[in-house]
Amino acid sequence: QKEVEQDPGPLSVPEGAIVSLNCTYSNSAFQYFMWYRQYSRKGPELLMYTYSSGNKEDGRFTAQVDKSSKYISLFIRDSQPSDSATYLCAMSGGSYIPTFGRGTSLIVHP
Amino acid sequence: ETGVTQSPTHLIKTRGQQVTLRCSSQSGHNTVSWYQQALGQGPQFIFQYYREEENGRGNFPPRFSGLQFPNYSSELNVNALELDDSALYLCASSLGGAEETQYFGPGTRLLVL
Repeated sequence: QKEVEQDPGPLSVPEGAIVSLNCTYSNSAFQYFMWYRQYSRKGPELLMYTYSSGNKEDGRFTAQVDKSSKYISLFIRDSQPSDSATYLCAMSGGSYIPTFGRGTSLIVHP
Repeated sequence: ETGVTQSPTHLIKTRGQQVTLRCSSQSGHNTVSWYQQALGQGPQFIFQYYREEENGRGNFPPRFSGLQFPNYSSELNVNALELDDSALYLCASSLGGAEETQYFGPGTRLLVL
């Protein structure tokens, strides 16, 4: 079993839909949780950063962490074609070095 | 403020050869991390350098080595290339510490034949 599990998709949604992306993990030492967006032929870009459990909102993006279930989510409201990308979850513990999921490919069609 | 840059963008090598990849950190950043991203996978941590010293290493063999220079730019060297080394190699710079954002470069795509 991998430390971080993420469904690779692809996930295809119509423009305007609410998108839900998820990861599960097995290492209870993880306490920093991140979501990155990666466009084709580009490096990952940090979208959201959360410490421990709880919710964090930034514009159309909401990140949720449930440490008791070892489950994290990213919600995208009013999705746009420009949101089409691969979304990577990542998490770290005391070493601050992130362990990434394999990424979920999201396609938002007009 | 310039972002993280990497060179070359693409590279083709044959098995057994050696390769050097280069990274220029974002201005003011003293920490550089290198990752390997195989096709369809997330980035895997190779190692990190902080002020020219190795500051953590992932599960990669010793033929993966690195350097960080006084200007905080960095090199990744891979010896005795294997077919499985074909991947996107990403460099990320930061100020260090848990809450410091890592800024990734566009990567170098390496193909080993």
